Amino acid sequence: GAVVSQHPSWVICKSGTSVKIECRSLDFQATTMFWYRQFPKQSLMLMATSNEGSKATYEQGVEKDKFLINHASLTLSTLTVTSAHPEDSSFYICSARTGTHAGGGYTFGSGTRLTVV
Amino acid sequence: AQSVTQLGSHVSVSEGALVLLRCNYSSSVPPYLFWYVQYPNQGLQLLLKYTSAATLVKGINGFEAEFKKSETSFHLTKPSAHMSDAAEYFCAVSEGGGYQKVTFGTGTKLQVIP
Repeated sequence: GAVVSQHPSWVICKSGTSVKIECRSLDFQATTMFWYRQFPKQSLMLMATSNEGSKATYEQGVEKDKFLINHASLTLSTLTVTSAHPEDSSFYICSARTGTHAGGGYTFGSGTRLTVV
Repeated sequence: AQSVTQLGSHVSVSEGALVLLRCNYSSSVPPYLFWYVQYPNQGLQLLLKYTSAATLVKGINGFEAEFKKSETSFHLTKPSAHMSDAAEYFCAVSEGGGYQKVTFGTGTKLQVIP
């Protein structure tokens, strides 16, 4: 089946530094990927929709200059948390639509636990 | 706008008992509905999906869900709970067509008591 690989699975960084999270579709091409953020014991909140070869579409309230998204190829999207602060600590998950028809399902990466100290 | 409401943030069942996780949706167009399971510190795994075909949808691990338009519901059930079913379950809705974003419910944590 379709697999989305997300790396790293966890990362600890110092305040003020930047962290890059990668999301790869291993056996299919993903023209669109989605980035979510999940706070402890809460649901997933969509941050942005990443489109291959074009600018990402950010949800209201998400700082595009802080959460940089690049989708340079059909199999790779990256999320960079710039100038990270402790409040950015969270679980970040990417997903991609699989299947050629609407409602084909969404495959999720295994998530990245970011801790900013 | 689309939304889902999951009733009960925590559900506890005994091993072997019926599992029932409730989900109600709101959508301006015929929806696509999903149930996902999440184990600690992991991503989400698709259990099943409804895409306007059969109203009773069977998924993996013995789970199934029934789409009821009149009740705007998509409850998840399993006849007999296993210990391995303990996890967090998310109901989600998409308004379909192209690469529409998915809106998730707040999740229900299922505890299975031995």
